[in-house]
Parts: sequence; structure tokens; C-alpha cells
Amino acid sequence: DAGITQSPRYKITETGRQVTLMCHQTWSHSYMFWYRQDLGHGLRLIYYSAAADITDKGEVPDGYVVSRSKTENFPLTLESATRSQTSVYFCASSESNPDTQYFGPGTRLTVL
Amino acid sequence: QQPVQSPQAVILREGEDAVINCSSSKALYSVHWYRQKHGEAPVFLMILLKGGEQKGHEKISASFNEKKQQSSLYLTASQLSYSGTYFCGTDPKAAGNKLTFGGGTRVLVKP
Repeated sequence: DAGITQSPRYKITETGRQVTLMCHQTWSHSYMFWYRQDLGHGLRLIYYSAAADITDKGEVPDGYVVSRSKTENFPLTLESATRSQTSVYFCASSESNPDTQYFGPGTRLTVL
Repeated sequence: QQPVQSPQAVILREGEDAVINCSSSKALYSVHWYRQKHGEAPVFLMILLKGGEQKGHEKISASFNEKKQQSSLYLTASQLSYSGTYFCGTDPKAAGNKLTFGGGTRVLVKP
């Protein structure tokens, strides 16, 4: 089906482990984003990409790495997970700027 | 810097109206509004651009006062489906959709 998907939907990991969250969109949108949402709070931009091979830091990039070798994929890696990175992670995409951002269903990550 | 939303929460009866405000300390190019229901992803409502028109969605409309660096979202004749948390996202530059979101306003519409 067309749209934006994230995997896994739920992940439990331990402090210090590397974790990769996947994001895939089928619309060939140029822009893709990673946000985190902590309980009871708003969304904070982690990283952003305007096109394949073009990425830029957002508001809270420390401890995260992204890559975008293909337009449709935008994985987010936590190099060494910490408890403070326990959160719900949303991926989003948009066709142009400024434009609607379409959000994926989210990944709930727990770091023990 | 994060925009400030007010009120933090509002309870309405079906059919009542409400206004949600979003204020920024920076000059803004665009303001985006999203609604998120519990356990779900945010869903786009509208974008307001500097110098642009007011754009509406169903009976939800919004305004953008560039001079005051504020936007307001108007929930008119509210329906049960309007319940959720409303977020404004602001972009001070005309580049890249890099939004800074407010803390959200929780809206509960009761029968």
C-alpha cells in the first residue's frame, strides 16, 4: 500500500546498544523528517532531509545519526542508546516547502 | 525557540466554539496546524503563510497575524471528532519545512 511506514512499531533495548529505526515512503517525496515526542509533550525535530544525500540537523540531533541514500528511505540510528532517548519517534515526509507533512504511525522505543 | 500555545487544555460541549492561540518570539514565514488523537500520529490541518490567505478545514479555520507573530485556530460548532491535541508548528524561514512545534493544546469535546 502507498504511504509512509515505520518499523519496528515497538522496540525495547538496553543502554549502550545501537538501534536503527526505519522509515519508508512510497510517494517519492523530497523532504523527510524525524521527530521525537516525549510523554505529554510536543514534537521535536531530530533530523531533516531535503533530498537523497542531503541531511541537516534539527533541534535535538545529539546521539542520533541519519542517512538517506535513496529518496524513499530515511533510517535513524541511535549509536549508543541512553534512557533519555526513550520516546515515541515519528517519521514524516512532504512533497515541497512549505507543505503538508505526512506522519508515519510512530515507533515506541524504550531504553532500559 | 518553541512557540507558546494557549490554553493548555479546553473542555467543550458539542456545538460550542473555541480558540487556540500560538505565539512566537520570532518573525514567522509560516504556521502549520496539526491534530493528534491519543496513540495516533499527528494529522495535518492547515498551513498559513506570511502574506497569504486564511485556509480552512471543515469547520476549523485559522488566522495569522504576522506583526504580532501569532496564529489562532478557531474551532467552530465543535464536533466530538474535534477532540485531540492540537499543535502549531512554526517556521521562521522560507526554507525546508523545518518546524518548531508548540507544547500542544488538549481539546475534549463532550456530548
